[in-house]
Amino acid sequence: NAGVTQTPKFQVLKTGQSMTLQCAQDMNHEYMSWYRQDPGMGLRLIHYSVGAGITDQGEVPNGYNVSRSTTEDFPLRLLSAAPSQTSVYFCASSSIHRGRQETQYFGPGTRLLVL
Amino acid sequence: KQEVTQIPAALSVPEGENLVLNCSFTDSAIYNLQWFRQDPGKGLTSLLLIQSSQREQTSGRLNASLDKSSGRSTLYIAASQPGDSATYLCAASGNTPLVFGKGTRLSVIA
Repeated sequence: NAGVTQTPKFQVLKTGQSMTLQCAQDMNHEYMSWYRQDPGMGLRLIHYSVGAGITDQGEVPNGYNVSRSTTEDFPLRLLSAAPSQTSVYFCASSSIHRGRQETQYFGPGTRLLVL
Repeated sequence: KQEVTQIPAALSVPEGENLVLNCSFTDSAIYNLQWFRQDPGKGLTSLLLIQSSQREQTSGRLNASLDKSSGRSTLYIAASQPGDSATYLCAASGNTPLVFGKGTRLSVIA
């Protein structure tokens, strides 16, 4: 049971480049989400999904796209990277009970540097 | 809109001391309250989850309490050790996605 996995661990991009951050979980969780963590800002929700084919925006969705074609995978796409997107990105998953999240499990994070 | 606050932002204590970390939330209509630990450069690890119908949860030296009416939760760490040094975050779960506090950075000095 690998839990939540993220790739890559570290990435350097140039402004304007695009890339996809991968996230996968093997716990059959319905709920998956992406956060970014910046000093002094805490964790901010980017996008989330309550099941395959269903996604919704969080607090800071601009510049990011997501899709959920399977229960296991929830990739995050940066369309045109900007220096403001330099951050640590965390993927998380949880089961859902009566529409509410249970214990949330986090991946190890992806450190992104945009030059 | 739910807001979660953790005070203090940083705390330093000598080894062996019992300590309490605080978490407050503005909307008492929560489903559960979760406590996490984050070590530098790592992801978050779940410590305890308290359902809204519960008053407290215990795991080893950790005890978390929940008072919905006052919008507060506390994480009690008994007999602190240097290995407890980390950032502790709380998060409230309700009808919206989890809302996190900014965390308390704990340093336990040997």
